[in-house]
Amino acid sequence: SQQGEEDPQALSIQEGENATMNCSYKTSINNLQWYRQNSGRGLVHLILIRSNEREKHSGRLRVTLDTSKKSSSLLITASRAADTASYFCATGETGANSKLTFGKGITLSVRP
Amino acid sequence: DGGITQSPKYLFRKEGQNVTLSCEQNLNHDAMYWYRQDPGQGLRLIYYSQIVNDFQKGDIAEGYSVSREKKESFPLTVTSAQKNPTAFYLCASRDGTAPSYGYTFGSGTRLTVV
Repeated sequence: SQQGEEDPQALSIQEGENATMNCSYKTSINNLQWYRQNSGRGLVHLILIRSNEREKHSGRLRVTLDTSKKSSSLLITASRAADTASYFCATGETGANSKLTFGKGITLSVRP
Repeated sequence: DGGITQSPKYLFRKEGQNVTLSCEQNLNHDAMYWYRQDPGQGLRLIYYSQIVNDFQKGDIAEGYSVSREKKESFPLTVTSAQKNPTAFYLCASRDGTAPSYGYTFGSGTRLTVV
């Protein structure tokens, strides 16, 4: 079953603009992670935010988490053509045998 | 460099055949995972293993089998019982002692039924 639901499904922006992607989920989580996938390749881990954190930064990435609304957002600032990829949110369960559940992904196109 | 190696990159299966996808990691990670990716459906968990000689079914295990005889290796067999095996298969691993760290993914195997 898929827990994370990303929004929008596709996003097209101009280079230099900011890109905001949203993710909603349904059950309690231990953490929420964002991954990037270039076409035909494996996923690359971008950032993880724990359930007791509200905001986290990594370079041009900013992630927020609102556990009361069961939602997260990923902001990419000053986008580049090389940011063109699919982005997935994944929720980590609580408990000893935690595993990740992925959403369907957002396709981001950054026009040069 | 440490990482996960999936092979082959492309695989073609005839109807009724079993095929095995390889996944090897040299990260010393305890946990390993197999996901299937179809267009527009994101990633779905097939099987996972938290420790050697133990594994659990994921959400779509029917028609698949795995083994975990060595920490480094987690091969996936797509059996003839899997009626729609054409997909992109991704293997991942994680340090089992650090559940709050991200997964490391391989570069995937694209399986096509011919």
